[in-house]
Amino acid sequence: EMQLVQSGGGLVQSGGSLRLSCVASGFTFSDYWMAWVRQTPEKGLEFVTNIKEDASYKSYVDSVKGRFTVSRDNAKNSLYLQMNNLRVEDTAVYYCARDPGFAGYDVWGQGTMVTVSS
Amino acid sequence: DVVMTQTPLSLPVTLGQPASISCRSSRSVVYSDGNTYLYWFHQRPGQSPRRLIYKVSNRDSGVPDRFSGSGSDTDFTLRISRVEAEDIGIYYCLQGANWPTFGQGTKVEI
Repeated sequence: EMQLVQSGGGLVQSGGSLRLSCVASGFTFSDYWMAWVRQTPEKGLEFVTNIKEDASYKSYVDSVKGRFTVSRDNAKNSLYLQMNNLRVEDTAVYYCARDPGFAGYDVWGQGTMVTVSS
Repeated sequence: DVVMTQTPLSLPVTLGQPASISCRSSRSVVYSDGNTYLYWFHQRPGQSPRRLIYKVSNRDSGVPDRFSGSGSDTDFTLRISRVEAEDIGIYYCLQGANWPTFGQGTKVEI
């Protein structure tokens, strides 16, 4: 069974940092782009960042550029999101997702809540 | 960015009856390779989104055949031929031909 299991998240003050992790199983992790998508009641679902199979390409939504860094360790079947200088507006449920191409997110993690307080 | 507009945002349904959701994009979601990267997702309360339909009209494995997708260019529709209780939740469209953008979601409730 294809699965993404997330960890990390929690409550942090504005300006703080958090690291999210996502471990894949049931498929060849190194064959796929991966992405992080976040969800809030106000804005709905929002693409945050993605990373190519070999980490040679990454893209970020403008609102997180310079603050968030996506990375992966194919030997550990793991995806990461380092979030620095967090803002209240980063409060959301964060999902990791497998991207088989063109944002066709076909496998999702269980989600992890990130709450940034002022 | 391409704006995806879903209608309606709330859809009361009757079990056993059909239902449909519209998704319109602010510009074409046909990519230069000729494919239309338009997807539909379903999210039940407290769960992660699940992809139902890819490239407009292709059902994912395990998705009941009461779900169908159609449309082209900027105008797309998800149809449920006979609503079942497990179909409640929020449905989202997503385009991947450009910077990925989701629709606002349509809440389907009995």
